[in-house]
Amino acid sequence: DAKTTQPNSMESNEEEPVHLPCNHSTISGTDYIHWYRQLPSQGPEYVIHGLTSNVNNRMASLAIAEDRKSSTLILHRATLRDAAVYYCILRDVARSGGSYIPTFGRGTSLIVHP
Amino acid sequence: DSGVTQTPKHLITATGQRVTLRCSPRSGDLSVYWYQQSLDQGLQFLIHYYNGEERAKGNILERFSAQQFPDLHSELNLSSLELGDSALYFCASSVAANNSPLHFGNGTRLTVT
Repeated sequence: DAKTTQPNSMESNEEEPVHLPCNHSTISGTDYIHWYRQLPSQGPEYVIHGLTSNVNNRMASLAIAEDRKSSTLILHRATLRDAAVYYCILRDVARSGGSYIPTFGRGTSLIVHP
Repeated sequence: DSGVTQTPKHLITATGQRVTLRCSPRSGDLSVYWYQQSLDQGLQFLIHYYNGEERAKGNILERFSAQQFPDLHSELNLSSLELGDSALYFCASSVAANNSPLHFGNGTRLTVT
């Protein structure tokens, strides 16, 4: 199963952009890249996902490298409420008849300074 | 609000006991996943059900079992509890078994004393 690699922690100042990297060098052609975040004392929350093209939604933007071996989650203006653990995982669109186990690593702990 | 409901929120029990954790998925979601999260292990996948059928098992102990009922709610049964079973247990649901986003509940915090 494809794996992802993320830095253990990153720091940012409030109202500045944050770029959270994720490496997935063994990604397959049918793997979608998903991002989740987990705020303290809550369950993980879906943020965004994409396959090849960059994606935007109200929470964040996802930039995917041309070779798809890495991606970056972009928070355009960090707030204190964005302090969380951010997880990058891969989900396979091809295995509709079976199951692709969504495997979460340790993620990146984002610290936001006021 | 993710739409996934987990009960109870907190559970305190003694070693050797048995407990049942319940999960109601989002309306329309056929897939249910169970995860265990302890401080030193991160989010560990336990088991996945799709439309009532078991689809995948992770490192789930033999003392643990689960099922998904015809109304799509799921239960995770933990028996012969040990101190090390103390953790947060999360349920997530998704529309399908493959690519669709996961929606997590807020978890059940199990404390075994």
